[in-house]
Amino acid sequence: QKEVEQNSGPLSVPEGAIASLNCTYSDRGSQSFFWYRQYSGKSPELIMFIYSNGDKEDGRFTAQLNKASQYVSLLIRDSQPSDSATYLCASNQGGSEKLVFGKGTKLTVNP
Amino acid sequence: DVKVTQSSRYLVKRTGEKVFLECVQDMDHENMFWYRQDPGLGLRLIYFSYDVKMKEKGDIPEGYSVSREKKERFSLILESASTNQTSMYLCASSLQDQGGDWDTQYFGPGTRLTVL
Repeated sequence: QKEVEQNSGPLSVPEGAIASLNCTYSDRGSQSFFWYRQYSGKSPELIMFIYSNGDKEDGRFTAQLNKASQYVSLLIRDSQPSDSATYLCASNQGGSEKLVFGKGTKLTVNP
Repeated sequence: DVKVTQSSRYLVKRTGEKVFLECVQDMDHENMFWYRQDPGLGLRLIYFSYDVKMKEKGDIPEGYSVSREKKERFSLILESASTNQTSMYLCASSLQDQGGDWDTQYFGPGTRLTVL
């Protein structure tokens, strides 16, 4: 069974700090990796995707991928209370269209 | 922008009823998915469709069936609802088989189903 593992948290950071969210995956055939944000009672929305080793930056968000270590992370700089949500990591399963999701990390940003 | 809509935000049904959940996407995506999401269990794939009239079982297909008669519409059917099917149901769609960001799945708002 292909798996994506995340620390369930909760992760609590003060406003303005850097939040670091981590994810490991078991399927070496995975090619694409995604971070979704899910507010309570809402559906997941895409924040970023990454498929090359290294860093990818988009505004306050940076995704990092290390395929050798099978590790993906998301850094949120200058965290805001509005960033408080559950963050889901996902990878495509063996290069297919299906995604395997982690169970999510709950982030709380304290004012 | 991709838009995925679901027929109901909240639904209450009785045990044994036949339940239809509908999903429509407007971006001409080939792939459509049905998930359920439960606390502590995360998102679990129920069924996947990669073309009209084509379907593939996901991780938890028992007690569910699906129908895709048109490209934009994907229906989830609970033949005889049971209390353990109380959950949040999420529909998603994506483009087909191009790798990279094309695998991005776009989610509908979800249907919170309660079976009494």
